[in-house]
Amino acid sequence: GAVVSQHPSRVICKSGTSVKIECRSLDFQATTMFWYRQFPKQSLMLMATSNEGSKATYEQGVEKDKFLINHASLTLSTLTVTSAHPEDSSFYICSAPDRDHGYTFGSGTRLTVV
Amino acid sequence: KQEVTQIPAALSVPEGENLVLNCSFTDSAIYNLQWFRQDPGKGLTSLLLIQSSQREQTSGRLNASLDKSSGRSTLYIAASQPGDSATYLCAVGPGANSKLTFGKGITLSVRP
Repeated sequence: GAVVSQHPSRVICKSGTSVKIECRSLDFQATTMFWYRQFPKQSLMLMATSNEGSKATYEQGVEKDKFLINHASLTLSTLTVTSAHPEDSSFYICSAPDRDHGYTFGSGTRLTVV
Repeated sequence: KQEVTQIPAALSVPEGENLVLNCSFTDSAIYNLQWFRQDPGKGLTSLLLIQSSQREQTSGRLNASLDKSSGRSTLYIAASQPGDSATYLCAVGPGANSKLTFGKGITLSVRP
């Protein structure tokens, strides 16, 4: 089946630094990648949609300069949280659609900003 | 605007019971419907994908049905086990690579 590999699974960083999260589609081409964040015991919140070779589309209220998304190839999309602050601490998950398997999700990244 | 509802928000059952999880959506113009499970602190695992032209899908002890005209889907879990304890989410999309609309999920607890 379709697999999306997400790294790192956990990261702790100091306030003011930047963190990059990678999502790779292992056995299919991900022309589109969705990026979500999830707070404890809450639903997924869509942050942005990235398409290979073009600029990402951000949801209302999501700062595009803070959450930089790059989708330079058909198998790799990255989310960089710039100048991270404690309020950015959250669970970040990526997802890519595949014709045969629907939407496949990464395993998530737990970001803690201290 | 599509809305997806899953009721109840939480469910606790004894091991071995057969159970049905419900999902309803307001706009029947969907491309597909997908059921996921999420374990605490983990990503989402796809359980079943139903294309809009299909009525049901089965995988092991799981069976999902889709009634597009009435805006309903059910996930049937046979002979529930403690390992089935998780949050179950249904999601619909209007097109092949479009944004999904999720329900808030049903947190299932299967008691040994």
